[in-house]
Amino acid sequence: DTGVSQDPRHKITKRGQNVTFRCDPISEHNRLYWYRQTLGQGPEFLTYFQNEAQLEKSRLLSDRFSAERPKGSFSTLEIQRTEQGDSAMYLCASSSNGWSTEAFFGQGTRLTVV
Amino acid sequence: TQLLEQSPQFLSIQEGENLTVYCNSSSVFSSLQWYRQEPGEGPVLLVTVVTGGEVKKLKRLTFQFGDARKDSSLHITAAQPGDTGLYLCAGEPYNTDKLIFGTGTRLQVFP
Repeated sequence: DTGVSQDPRHKITKRGQNVTFRCDPISEHNRLYWYRQTLGQGPEFLTYFQNEAQLEKSRLLSDRFSAERPKGSFSTLEIQRTEQGDSAMYLCASSSNGWSTEAFFGQGTRLTVV
Repeated sequence: TQLLEQSPQFLSIQEGENLTVYCNSSSVFSSLQWYRQEPGEGPVLLVTVVTGGEVKKLKRLTFQFGDARKDSSLHITAAQPGDTGLYLCAGEPYNTDKLIFGTGTRLQVFP
């Protein structure tokens, strides 16, 4: 296992299109987090899963955003009807037991909405 | 709203200089982490501190968690160009599994 993997690394889409990102966490990690980062800012929390259960969602996550982790392994983040304001880096992280234990981030998916 | 303010926002120094980055909040955290992030990459964990007053050293980097668990500092001795990057502090509030990130400090070390 080489770490947290995210796909694609880059995505350019037209406004109004739907996009889906995938995150493969470290295999033994039961917690998976999604964050969004705009240029020059720190990452902002979006949502997180413990196994397949989605335990918390940020108010930043409008109804156009949905995340799943169907079998408690990989996760997907879908954005419907993309807007220019959705342009950002979408980061995924995983950990075995919360942040006080070591957590690892993926390299992120850079989304550009034109 | 729990906020973590970092200062300075930008830091540009010569190789060999020392520097300190501060991370402050009005909230108390059960643990605090420091990350370094390079352009186009995800953050990479440097250290986790969990005890008030704790000091951890990682080669030329010294991390301190405030006694009240509300603030932290990162001190780099004899900075090198390889230290260039975005430094992020992040706190774990009590009774939640979110990690709240600071505003970031962008460090540039010139040879």
